[in-house]
Amino acid sequence: IAGITQAPTSQILAAGRRMTLRCTQDMRHNAMYWYRQDLGLGLRLIHYSNTAGTTGKGEVPDGYSVSRANTDDFPLTLASAVPSQTSVYFCASSEGTSANTGELFFGEGSRLTVL
Amino acid sequence: GQNIDQPTEMTATEGAIVQINCTYQTSGFNGLFWYQQHAGEAPTFLSYNVLDGLEEKGRFSSFLSRSKGYSYLLLKELQMKDSASYLCAVLDSNYQLIWGAGTKLIIKP
Repeated sequence: IAGITQAPTSQILAAGRRMTLRCTQDMRHNAMYWYRQDLGLGLRLIHYSNTAGTTGKGEVPDGYSVSRANTDDFPLTLASAVPSQTSVYFCASSEGTSANTGELFFGEGSRLTVL
Repeated sequence: GQNIDQPTEMTATEGAIVQINCTYQTSGFNGLFWYQQHAGEAPTFLSYNVLDGLEEKGRFSSFLSRSKGYSYLLLKELQMKDSASYLCAVLDSNYQLIWGAGTKLIIKP
C-alpha cells in the first residue's frame, strides 16, 4: 500500500540522547515535511524539503536537523533531546513543492517522550 | 501575528447536522484546508477552498468567505465514525500552512 511510513511509532528517550525519526514515502512526492503536534496547539512545521537535496527551516527548527539525500527518505534528528521535545511528530508529503496547493499526506506519527 | 481560531470542542447527536467554524487572520491568503484526525491517527484531507462559496462533497461541505476571514465545515447525517478532530489550515502569502488547534467533535447516540 502506497503511503508514508514512520519509525519508531513510539519511543521513550533520556534527555541528552540523540534520536533519529525515520520517514519514507513511496509516492514519489517532491515535497516532504516534519511537523510536531502538541495538545492545544496547531501543527507546527519543524523543517521541510521541496525536493531531494534541499531543505528549509519551518516555524520551530531549533534542536532539530533534517536531510534529504533522495526523494523517498526524510529523517529528522534530535541531536541532544530535551523534555520540551516531548511531542507527537508527523512526517508528511505533497506532490508539488511547498508553493503548491496540493493536499498533504501524513504518516501515522511518532510519539516521543523525553525524560 | 497570524492566527487561526476554532472552537476547542463540540458535541452533536448522531443523524444531526453540525457546523464547525474557523476564523483566520493571516498575512495573505492562498487557500484554506480542512483535515480530519481521528484520535491517535494521522490527519487526512477533507477539503480545499480558495474562492468564496460552498464546496460540497458528499455529507461534508466547506464554505469560505475571504472578506470575512471565515470558513465553516458542515457535516450532515452525522455518524459515530465522524467523532474526530477537525483541523482548519490556511495557506498564507508565502505558501506556508498555518494550522488551527483543531475542533474535537463528539458524536452522541
